[in-house]
Amino acid sequence: GQNIDQPTEMTATEGAIVQINCTYQTSGFNGLFWYQQHAGEAPTFLSYNVLDGLEEKGRFSSFLSRSKGYSYLLLKELQMKDSASYLCAVRDYGGSQGNLIFGKGTKLSVKP
Amino acid sequence: GAVVSQHPSRVICKSGTSVKIECRSLDFQATTMFWYRQFPKQSLMLMATSNEGSKATYEQGVEKDKFLINHASLTLSTLTVTSAHPEDSSFYICSARRQDMNTEAFFGQGTRLTVV
Repeated sequence: GQNIDQPTEMTATEGAIVQINCTYQTSGFNGLFWYQQHAGEAPTFLSYNVLDGLEEKGRFSSFLSRSKGYSYLLLKELQMKDSASYLCAVRDYGGSQGNLIFGKGTKLSVKP
Repeated sequence: GAVVSQHPSRVICKSGTSVKIECRSLDFQATTMFWYRQFPKQSLMLMATSNEGSKATYEQGVEKDKFLINHASLTLSTLTVTSAHPEDSSFYICSARRQDMNTEAFFGQGTRLTVV
């Protein structure tokens, strides 16, 4: 079956670094995505990994290990506006034309 | 960047009525659009894949006669919730993939449907 796991909630302090982990078990794999979603809004794209390694984009970095079925999203220099849910999603070509399978999201609370 | 517009953002309807939600790709062509539903504190669940010019592909457990999908052009897909019931109240989100980009899917703003 398809399974994507990530922690339900995390709390961090403004200015700090936080790592959000994601493990996945899917019938196929064609890329892993991280999205940010504020309450009541649609997700916004943060990063995409299809090869092993680290992708860095400003304060956000994402890592992938395909052999371990593991990814993490690293947020540096946390800001209050980073308080949101972070969704890990895998594109599984075993599904309907490469749709995204989402984890339940990690709600991050950034405190002063 | 690519923009996907979803309308309406919020709708309240009476039980038994139908509601249409539109999803438009504003600056690119999208042969494939996806419709998701998200209940509070839950993950985005794929409902169906909308293909331009052909029938939509529905996920298991999603009633195709209740959730009508029409993808009449390369920039527009519509989802109609027919004979809505309170349990259909949810956050509906569409996404579209650009033909020339095998990476991110672009999401609409989402539609908060409340059936009373």
